[in-house]
Amino acid sequence: AQKVTQAQTEISVVEKEDVTLDCVYETRDTTYYLFWYKQPPSGELVFLIRRNSFDEQNEISGRYSWNFQKSTSSFNFTITASQVVDSAVYFCALRGSGSARQLTFGSGTQLTVLP
Amino acid sequence: DSGVTQTPKHLITATGQRVTLRCSPRSGDLSVYWYQQSLDQGLQFLIQYYNGEERAKGNILERFSAQQFPDLHSELNLSSLELGDSALYFCASSGRGSTDTQYFGPGTRLTVL
Repeated sequence: AQKVTQAQTEISVVEKEDVTLDCVYETRDTTYYLFWYKQPPSGELVFLIRRNSFDEQNEISGRYSWNFQKSTSSFNFTITASQVVDSAVYFCALRGSGSARQLTFGSGTQLTVLP
Repeated sequence: DSGVTQTPKHLITATGQRVTLRCSPRSGDLSVYWYQQSLDQGLQFLIQYYNGEERAKGNILERFSAQQFPDLHSELNLSSLELGDSALYFCASSGRGSTDTQYFGPGTRLTVL
């Protein structure tokens, strides 16, 4: 069975602070895919990033960066110089390598960025 | 805009009723997935279709059913509705590749009174 744990239920920061959202996963698949999605107050789910298990390079996209560590089964997400518009629920998700491609989601982290 | 459309955006109905949620995938995507987001269960996978055929089933109740039509749009049918079925229902679509990413529609918020 696959499992994704986001231990931080809620995080509150002041604008311009850096913040890291934690994600720990469990899977028996040797090949798997990790994702982050953002759910703003409007409710839609917005894709942010996909990471393949065989590619452990960290990635940076503007103020966003992701740290994938296979040794600790973690895929953490950092927002640098946070902004009020970053306020949202962030979900980490996992997909295995089988023919079924469904995502297993974590419970989400509610990030509030205060002005 | 993900390119995935869902209708209706909101749906309010009574217990015991039946509703149909509709999803149109992104152009060219063959796979459609349905997820349910509720306060107590979080985001849960319901069912997947690929090019008209059921590919995988998750935590989908027997009162729920889905299908994907030849034009690749999909419908999720919810019957004998209960209060606990109130949730946000998402549809997602993805392409052919093994590394395909799922892109989500805006969701349908179902309220059962």
